[in-house]
Amino acid sequence: AQKITQTQPGMFVQEKEAVTLDCTYDTSDPSYGLFWYKQPSSGEMIFLIYQGSYDQQNATEGRYSLNFQKARKSANLVISASQLGDSAMYFCAMRPTGNQFYFGTGTSLTVIP
Amino acid sequence: SQTIHQWPATLVQPVGSPLSLECTVEGTSNPNLYWYRQAAGRGLQLLFYSVGIGQISSEVPQNLSASRPQDRQFILSSKKLLLSDSGFYLCAWSLGRTVGEKLFFGSGTQLSVL
Repeated sequence: AQKITQTQPGMFVQEKEAVTLDCTYDTSDPSYGLFWYKQPSSGEMIFLIYQGSYDQQNATEGRYSLNFQKARKSANLVISASQLGDSAMYFCAMRPTGNQFYFGTGTSLTVIP
Repeated sequence: SQTIHQWPATLVQPVGSPLSLECTVEGTSNPNLYWYRQAAGRGLQLLFYSVGIGQISSEVPQNLSASRPQDRQFILSSKKLLLSDSGFYLCAWSLGRTVGEKLFFGSGTQLSVL
């Protein structure tokens, strides 16, 4: 079965601090992609970062990094130096072989000034 | 560059009325197309996806339907809306080549059924 789990419905972080958003996945496909999206209150879905199942190194994109632990089937998003504009919903997604994407239920992040 | 257009941005419809949401993609060919629904404060529910003209896969049986009359056009329809159809509808596209092809989303339609 293909499944993405985000166990943190809501998170708070102090401005300028780092925060980790958890994501675990389940798939039997050897090849898959893992994605993180940000959804601000406007509703748009913004792609943040991608990690391939065969990638040896953790992905990084500016202040975003993905802590990929394949054996544990986890793909946590780390946001460094949080900014007020980081307040949003964050979704983890997986694309196994095929055309479907599987999304978690999301984590609502609030950055406190 | 590729762009995705989705309209309308907001829609208020009475129960029992029909629905038509349209999505078009520019700058690419033969994309995979998707319709998602998001209830308030909730995750994304895949409704339909299409890998080609006239090819529609339905994920959730309900009173909604989808059509793909042209390569880059995806339409979500209903003959009679229910209160439970209210939500935020997102169209998205992706290429089907590898697992690394990400989803690109439209700006969404907020549908309120009253």
